[in-house]
Amino acid sequence: ELQLVESGGGLIQPGGSLRLSCAASGFTVSSNFMTWVRQAPGKGLEWVSVLYTGGTTYYADPVKGRFTISRDDSKNTLYLQMNSLRAEDTAVYYCARGQGIAQTYYFDYWGQGTLVTVSS
Amino acid sequence: SSELTQDPAVSVALGQTVSITCQGDSLRSYYASWYQQKPGQAPILVIYGKNKRPSGIPDRFSGSNSGNTASLTITGTQAEDEADYYCNSRDSSGNWVFGGGTKVTVL
Repeated sequence: ELQLVESGGGLIQPGGSLRLSCAASGFTVSSNFMTWVRQAPGKGLEWVSVLYTGGTTYYADPVKGRFTISRDDSKNTLYLQMNSLRAEDTAVYYCARGQGIAQTYYFDYWGQGTLVTVSS
Repeated sequence: SSELTQDPAVSVALGQTVSITCQGDSLRSYYASWYQQKPGQAPILVIYGKNKRPSGIPDRFSGSNSGNTASLTITGTQAEDEADYYCNSRDSSGNWVFGGGTKVTVL
C-alpha cells in the first residue's frame, strides 16, 4: 500500500529551525517528483516547494532562501529544512507525490500532515 | 508568479449539479488538477488531466478545460460532497500554484 507519513512538526520560536520528514512506502521517492504544501489555520492550500526527479528544486517566494527541500534515497524519505521561521510559517505541512507528463501534472498521494507552530 | 482564481463559495441543492471554475494563465499550457478537502483531513485528488478520475472517485465528478479556464462539475451532488475544492497547476518554469479554494455547501 502506498503511504506518506510526515513527522517533525511542533512548537518552535521565531527565528528557529525545524526539519520535517516525509517517509514513503509502496513506491520510490527518487522515481517521482515530490512536493510540500502547507495550510495555515483556516486558510487555503499553499504550495511550498518541489523536488523533481533530476534534483531540480523550486520554492514559493515566501520561503525562498529559508527552506530547503531534499531527499534521502537510502531512507526513501523527503525532507523540508526550515530556517529563520516566522509566525506566518505556522501551518499544517503536507508532503505529496507528483505525477506528470506533457500537459498533465498532479499530486496523487498525500500524507496526513504535520503541524508547525511558530510562536514565542 | 502564477495565480489561479476561484470563487470563494457556492451552494447546491442535494441531487443537483454544480460547477466550480478556476482561471489562470498557466492553464493555457497545463491542465488543472482538482482536490477535495474535508475539515481536518488531507486533500485528495478528484480530477486530473483532460478529464480523468483516480480510482475510487465517483463518476459524478468531471472536469473540462477551455483557454485559461478549468471547471470541476459535480452532477447529482451528494451530501458527502460538501467540502473545499482546490484547483492546482504547474507553470512553465516548474513552479506550482493553488487556487484560493471554493467551499461547496450542499443544501
